[in-house]
Amino acid sequence: AQSVTQLDSHVSVSEGTPVLLRCNYSSSYSPSLFWYVQHPNKGLQLLLKYTSAATLVKGINGFEAEFKKSETSFHLTKPSAHMSDAAEYFCVVSDRWRDDKIIFGKGTRLHILP
Amino acid sequence: DAGITQSPRHKVTETGTPVTLRCHQTENHRYMYWYRQDPGHGLRLIHYSYGVKDTDKGEVSDGYSVSRSKTEDFLLTLESATSSQTSVYFCAISGRGQDTGELFFGEGSRLTVL
Repeated sequence: AQSVTQLDSHVSVSEGTPVLLRCNYSSSYSPSLFWYVQHPNKGLQLLLKYTSAATLVKGINGFEAEFKKSETSFHLTKPSAHMSDAAEYFCVVSDRWRDDKIIFGKGTRLHILP
Repeated sequence: DAGITQSPRHKVTETGTPVTLRCHQTENHRYMYWYRQDPGHGLRLIHYSYGVKDTDKGEVSDGYSVSRSKTEDFLLTLESATSSQTSVYFCAISGRGQDTGELFFGEGSRLTVL
């Protein structure tokens, strides 16, 4: 069965410095991968998605992620953090060729230091 | 925004009572999902549906049942609520094609079991 591991439960960066949120996945077939963001007391918003097209995926608000099959990773990056990026981020895997489950990681809470 | 409504949005109940949460969509999407969100656990899949009367278990299905008699409605039932089922419950829908796996969420239902 597919699974997702987010390697850090909390990440703290200073405003203006790069952001790296790490995600490793396990999937038997060709996965679709997603990053969602949830701001405090808000709903979930899609940041970006990989669905077997280009391996470098650009999303909203300057975020991007690179699908690396050999490393089974899909890390989320942003060149320069902004205070408004403080939120919880979820890596998600879907393996529609195997079953219809869509599985979330446990989340990484991103803190932005002034 | 995708047309998804959850009801009730808030509910307080006592241990041992049955509870039903309703998810209603106006998007005619085939796939519907129920997740629970708890701190430190991210979103965990409870049950999902891939069509009318077609459902399957997710990661944490014990103590929960679902039904889908119409495309637009997906019901989650706690037969006998326990305090461990205190959580925020999210319904989500998904289409097919290039957006395979992309989820659209309801606003959540906060359940407290005393």
